[in-house]
Amino acid sequence: DTAVSQTPKYLVTQMGNDKSIKCEQNLGHDTMYWYKQDSKKFLKIMFSYNNKELIINETVPNRFSPKSPDKAHLNLHINSLELGDSAVYFCASSQDIAGLKTQYFGPGTRLLVL
Amino acid sequence: EDQVTQSPEALRLQEGESSSLNCSYTVSGLRGLFWYRQDPGKGPEFLFTLYSAGEEKEKERLKATLTKKESFLHITAPKPEDSATYLCAVQAHYGGATNKLIFGTGTLLAVQP
Repeated sequence: DTAVSQTPKYLVTQMGNDKSIKCEQNLGHDTMYWYKQDSKKFLKIMFSYNNKELIINETVPNRFSPKSPDKAHLNLHINSLELGDSAVYFCASSQDIAGLKTQYFGPGTRLLVL
Repeated sequence: EDQVTQSPEALRLQEGESSSLNCSYTVSGLRGLFWYRQDPGKGPEFLFTLYSAGEEKEKERLKATLTKKESFLHITAPKPEDSATYLCAVQAHYGGATNKLIFGTGTLLAVQP
């Protein structure tokens, strides 16, 4: 049973394209997150949603737009992809809205922009 | 500014050679410190949460401790399967009742047989 799953696992695309990454959790958690991990392994939060409501929005370009159709799903759409967007994107979920409980991570989506 | 620094960046040990990883942090009002393990090509896997200075948690060959300024992950008699990147993260205040995790850049541990 996969707790937090992401698709696709790998994504190779050209600059200027638009792409989406999907995330689903079956843990019954209320809060979901998107993180970006750069080539130096630094993991940084981008967004957080609680029950379909955006609660954390870090300094992220407007080209990135999260969407949560229900509390078990959080998708990330990226417009006009740039070379610097190449990274590994992780989805995570936790039980609480305050961000105090343990976050459980998905396997990651490796995005390469050419 | 809230910050997490991990050292060393990389550590190579012989099987059975015990050592410690360090995580020093600067945060306004610590709400929790987390240790994660990350294997190549995978997502971070939760290990421990520590909430207050003096607290200790153990799991197999790993033991995490916490002081007011830093945390240590002690690895006793490591095995090759302990090889991974170990990430430390602290909860920091984001706004209102919301908190966010701030991660360090990790320690890459290699245990050779």
